[in-house]
Amino acid sequence: AAGVIQSPRHLIKEKRETATLKCYPIPRHDTVYWYQQGPGQDPQFLISFYEKMQSDKGSIPDRFSAQQFSDYHSELNMSSLELGDSALYFCASSFSRNTEAFFGQGTRLTVV
Amino acid sequence: DAKTTQPPSMDCAEGRAANLPCNHSTISGNEYVYWYRQIHSQGPQYIIHGLKNNETNEMASLIITEDRKSSTLILPHATLRDTAVYYCIVTKDYKLSFGAGTTVTVRA
Repeated sequence: AAGVIQSPRHLIKEKRETATLKCYPIPRHDTVYWYQQGPGQDPQFLISFYEKMQSDKGSIPDRFSAQQFSDYHSELNMSSLELGDSALYFCASSFSRNTEAFFGQGTRLTVV
Repeated sequence: DAKTTQPPSMDCAEGRAANLPCNHSTISGNEYVYWYRQIHSQGPQYIIHGLKNNETNEMASLIITEDRKSSTLILPHATLRDTAVYYCIVTKDYKLSFGAGTTVTVRA
């Protein structure tokens, strides 16, 4: 069965650079969520989209932005990267809200 | 979302049932109980969820007390591949808030 696809799987950036993470949800899923997981920490909710509209916002820094496109894929844009942004970034998708979410394998971002 | 409390860790023998408790005494009537697990830096994996009734699927069973203030996830026959961090999440919407879960170690 098709799963959530994230790209790239690994990314190394320097401080103050920008990064774009992509997420391709399971076909027919209309809701996408982004999570950040720092080393030794639990996943933290960043932002979510339902039917291409932002539906909820968590602890997402102002330097980050995201959107969901007409084909339901989503991109997380991160600017002015800091060392503390080094983390695993997970995307999840679900069919409408209030249903189980399926997670991708994540993008490991390292800021040096 | 209601706060949940889980034991930080537990061990389980391979082939035996693993019973993972979760307290959610402030749960409200329209909040669901979800269980996810994360195997070493992989994406969290959905296990099961329920509202009031007990639920069972191919992975696990979920037992919710009548007052809904606590629940138990049961892995009927634990294998070494079930070693993971297990998260109990209570929510009425689509946003999952991961708290401190239970690190389950299945031993041969």
